[in-house]
Amino acid sequence: DAKTTQPNSMESNEEEPVHLPCNHSTISGTDYIHWYRQLPSQGPEYVIHGLTSNVNNRMASLAIAEDRKSSTLILHRATLRDAAVYYCILRDWGGSSNTGKLIFGQGTTLQVKP
Amino acid sequence: DTGVSQDPRHKITKRGQNVTFRCDPISEHNRLYWYRQTLGQGPEFLTYFQNEAQLEKSRLLSDRFSAERPKGSFSTLEIQRTEQGDSAMYLCASSVTGATNEKLFFGSGTQLSVL
Repeated sequence: DAKTTQPNSMESNEEEPVHLPCNHSTISGTDYIHWYRQLPSQGPEYVIHGLTSNVNNRMASLAIAEDRKSSTLILHRATLRDAAVYYCILRDWGGSSNTGKLIFGQGTTLQVKP
Repeated sequence: DTGVSQDPRHKITKRGQNVTFRCDPISEHNRLYWYRQTLGQGPEFLTYFQNEAQLEKSRLLSDRFSAERPKGSFSTLEIQRTEQGDSAMYLCASSVTGATNEKLFFGSGTQLSVL
């Protein structure tokens, strides 16, 4: 089962910032927080990941709470192309191979209004 | 780098038929994953390969499903005696490392419709 909790849906206006929250209260000390997004009719794509410090890349920023039990993905200026399902994921280290596989929840569907 | 390629993009079959999907990972990626996604749900993990070895299979993967990755390159996922409940998007992903910050690259998927 997914170890994260996200709102089912959010709306944003174009060119405004978007803050997508995620709760992961059972996170362990070595778990990275991963974000992927899935555009319509495509496979998921990597957005960003982080451990403790806030992280920035060309797509987004990731703000991680001090206790690491929650995080927020920040899109600084939403565009229509950012309309997608956003997944916040912790690795699952259980199973027969100790794979650390990604277990997806239902994610947050982001709608961007022009 | 052409990304992860999946073939076919769409497959329509009749109940009871066998189907096979192919995934070509990014070259030199040693890890390969298969996921299944139904409408409105996030992708569900099915199975995982490290090179040619299949190291884990989900409980979701019934005996009708089999996956291979000969020579640690491309992979195939076969479904025998398809059922309507098998209708879904089948996604393949590959990665180059098993580190805690491993990044997966997904293909666009194969959409299966079982009539």
